[in-house]
Amino acid sequence: DAKTTQPTSMDCAEGRAANLPCNHSTISGNEYVYWYRQIHSQGPQYIIHGLKNNETNEMASLIITEDRKSSTLILPHATLRDTAVYYCIVRGTDSWGKLQFGAGTQVVVTP
Amino acid sequence: SAVISQKPSRDICQRGTSLTIQCQVDSQVTMMFWYRQQPGQSLTLIATANQGSEATYESGFVIDKFPISRPNLTFSTLTVSNMSPEDSSIYLCSVTCAETYEQYFGPGTRLTVT
Repeated sequence: DAKTTQPTSMDCAEGRAANLPCNHSTISGNEYVYWYRQIHSQGPQYIIHGLKNNETNEMASLIITEDRKSSTLILPHATLRDTAVYYCIVRGTDSWGKLQFGAGTQVVVTP
Repeated sequence: SAVISQKPSRDICQRGTSLTIQCQVDSQVTMMFWYRQQPGQSLTLIATANQGSEATYESGFVIDKFPISRPNLTFSTLTVSNMSPEDSSIYLCSVTCAETYEQYFGPGTRLTVT
């Protein structure tokens, strides 16, 4: 599976959109981009995933560039409960459950 | 979605002893996975547990140290054997939903070895 690069940390004001970037320049054609987050002392929580089209669900939006070498997770209206470590992971369909977690981005939402 | 529970939620154990962690899922799943998260670190996959076959271990993890059982499609156990302080970590159980490719994690078991 391709590796990903994320900023170590970022701050976001409550109520504003949080845009979390991720680089995955070695991604291959059959690999998906997944986002998870881990709130302190809890197990990781699935947020969203996509292949090449932009995706949106009740939690977030995922924007994948046309060349698929990078993506952005958007939390439209950040709340204090969104403070967590966010992981961008690239995974092929033949890698069931074998998620390779990087260091992730520590997001702190401030009042 | 899948709801996963783990027991115990946390434990403090003495060096040289063993601890068995249980993972229960509210639906039948083909594959279950065990991850480890050392203090201040990210998650690392320990092994994949399929029902009816031996677990498959990732590089750096061996069956003698982390024996796994998978007696049915909703349950698995991970044993941390002959523990040392370096085994102090959070151990997490995970499953994949075959239809959606979403992966779910349990709340984790926080292990401290003294």
